[in-house]
Parts: sequence; structure tokens; C-alpha cells
Amino acid sequence: GAVVSQHPSRVICKSGTSVKIECRSLDFQATTMFWYRQFPKKSLMLMATSNEGSKATYEQGVEKDKFLINHASLTLSTLTVTSAHPEDSSFYICSASRTGGNQPQHFGDGTRLSIL
Amino acid sequence: DAKTTQPTSMDCAEGRAANLPCNHSTISGNEYVYWYRQIHSQGPQYIIHGLKNNETNEMASLIITEDRKSSTLILPHATLRDTAVYYCIVRVVWGNTPLVFGKGTRLSVIA
Repeated sequence: GAVVSQHPSRVICKSGTSVKIECRSLDFQATTMFWYRQFPKKSLMLMATSNEGSKATYEQGVEKDKFLINHASLTLSTLTVTSAHPEDSSFYICSASRTGGNQPQHFGDGTRLSIL
Repeated sequence: DAKTTQPTSMDCAEGRAANLPCNHSTISGNEYVYWYRQIHSQGPQYIIHGLKNNETNEMASLIITEDRKSSTLILPHATLRDTAVYYCIVRVVWGNTPLVFGKGTRLSVIA
């Protein structure tokens, strides 16, 4: 069964709305989670690394004030797309892994965000 | 940038073995080879990973060349549900580092 849960699976909202996406590790604690976005027919692109109890690390070109990440517990990271605009429409995916050197990353089912 | 090279697309007849190649000629000694697949509109699914020995699980087999510069993912009996984009990724052993996705191989299983 799923080890990483992501919610909601689909969001459609008006331009200017802020949208929060949750990522939960179901049966393990994750001090680090990752957020990706994916445009149609493209590969996943890493947006940021979410660190429990500290600030997230953002990839170059990703606006931290636009994509707010909070990792307040060992099983939950949230991504908030603030004042979303149509160009923010995308497929957002999170991942997490159990601790240990070669543990595989497990991914949520993704959130499809559509901004009208 | 991704450190792997994969063919853009492949076809496979249903019931036959699907052999997906991956080139990772610059792999370091402390990097594993991971394989994931992504079915349309879903998150990537972990398949298998290995360091230098061949690996097998209920989903697939992973064959890594002795020099570790390339590998092959084998789906022994492909079904229509195996149609997906398959990603080969190298990742360091230690630390919780992110996966860097390349373009992958789009596998189409044909009835």
C-alpha cells in the first residue's frame, strides 16, 4: 500500500487564491521530504527540500515566497502556492524516504493544480 | 542534470520480456542505480535499485554491467499495465538526497 499520502489530488481555483498541498509519510518518520513539479509531457523537476524543524532549501529559480514550505512534524510537510496564477498550474508531487543510506524515495500520487 | 541516458521510447509485445537499457558511464563508486516508473497522471513508483550486483524482486530484475557504466531493467512478462515512463536514476548511497529525473523511456506495451 501507499507509504506517502498526498492531498488533495486535484484543485481547481481562481487566480489569486492560495492553495495548500499536504504530504504525509504514513508509517515512518521523515526528517526530509522533497517537492517536485511536472509540466505536461515533461519530467519531474525538483523544487525544494523540506527539512523538519528548519527552513526549506529551494532550487535555483524557485521563489520561496511563492512556494511556502512548512515541515512542522516528522510525518507532514505542506506546500502552499501563494496567490496562484495560471502559470502555476502544474502537477505537484512530494516524496519521502525512511532513514538509512540506500532507502528508496516513495512518492505521493501528486496534486494537479489548475488555476483559472 | 541527470547523469543517465535512456532511449526515448520503446515498444514491447504483451507477454514478452521488456528490456530497458540505461547508460550511466559517469557513475561514482558511492552511487546506486534506481529505477522508477510513472504511469500517466500518477506519482512515480519505485521499482528496484542496486549497487553492483544483479537484483530481482517481484516487479523486475536489474542487471548492472561489471564496470557499472550501464544497466538493464527487465520486466519478465510485460502487461498492458506496464505501459509507463521508466526512469533510471543514479543517487549517492549516503544521506537523504533528492532524485534527479531525466527524460526516461516511454514504454508502450502492445496487445
